[in-house]
Amino acid sequence: AQSVAQPEDQVNVAEGNPLTVKCTYSVSGNPYLFWYVQYPNRGLQFLLKYITGDNLVKGSYGFEAEFNKSQTSFHLKKPSALVSDSALYFCAVRLGNDYKLSFGAGTTVTVRA
Amino acid sequence: DTGVSQDPRHKITKRGQNVTFRCDPISEHNRLYWYRQTLGQGPEFLTYFQNEAQLEKSRLLSDRFSAERPKGSFSTLEIQRTEQGDSAMYLCASSLGVNQPQHFGDGTRLSIL
Repeated sequence: AQSVAQPEDQVNVAEGNPLTVKCTYSVSGNPYLFWYVQYPNRGLQFLLKYITGDNLVKGSYGFEAEFNKSQTSFHLKKPSALVSDSALYFCAVRLGNDYKLSFGAGTTVTVRA
Repeated sequence: DTGVSQDPRHKITKRGQNVTFRCDPISEHNRLYWYRQTLGQGPEFLTYFQNEAQLEKSRLLSDRFSAERPKGSFSTLEIQRTEQGDSAMYLCASSLGVNQPQHFGDGTRLSIL
């Protein structure tokens, strides 16, 4: 079985400050990890993925994530948040030999001006 | 790249009626997925197609649900005898290969009266 936990329902930061959205995973095997963002009444937009290789992954819109195998974490980060980053963020995992994604419950990010 | 297209965006129907949703994936993508998302939750996997073959169905997909992808292009998801619990956002995604990210449409929001 595979699962993802996003321990924070909400994250609030001021514009220009660093943003971190936490994700931990549980999977029996090599994980493929993803971050998606969802705006109201829209589908999910892909931000970045970790398959193999460098533990620090860079993605769209200035986001990056760090894979930490020992802590089974894949936290999403952005050095300087924008008001337009306010949205719902989902972490997802799948096994290397699987295709379906298992999503966390999501973290609502609010960036105040 | 015109993205994944879903139709309709919204569907309101009475309990007991049948509904059908359509998904047009990104044109060269041979893999297609259906997910269901309820309020406050991450998407949950429903079913997966590789070309026209339906390779996996979740336990969430009861006998009232059926999905098809007749020519390996667009897909339909039908729900028969709708129930209140079917109210959700139904998301379609497609991908080019197993290691490629899934790209999501904007979903069909189903409301059961």
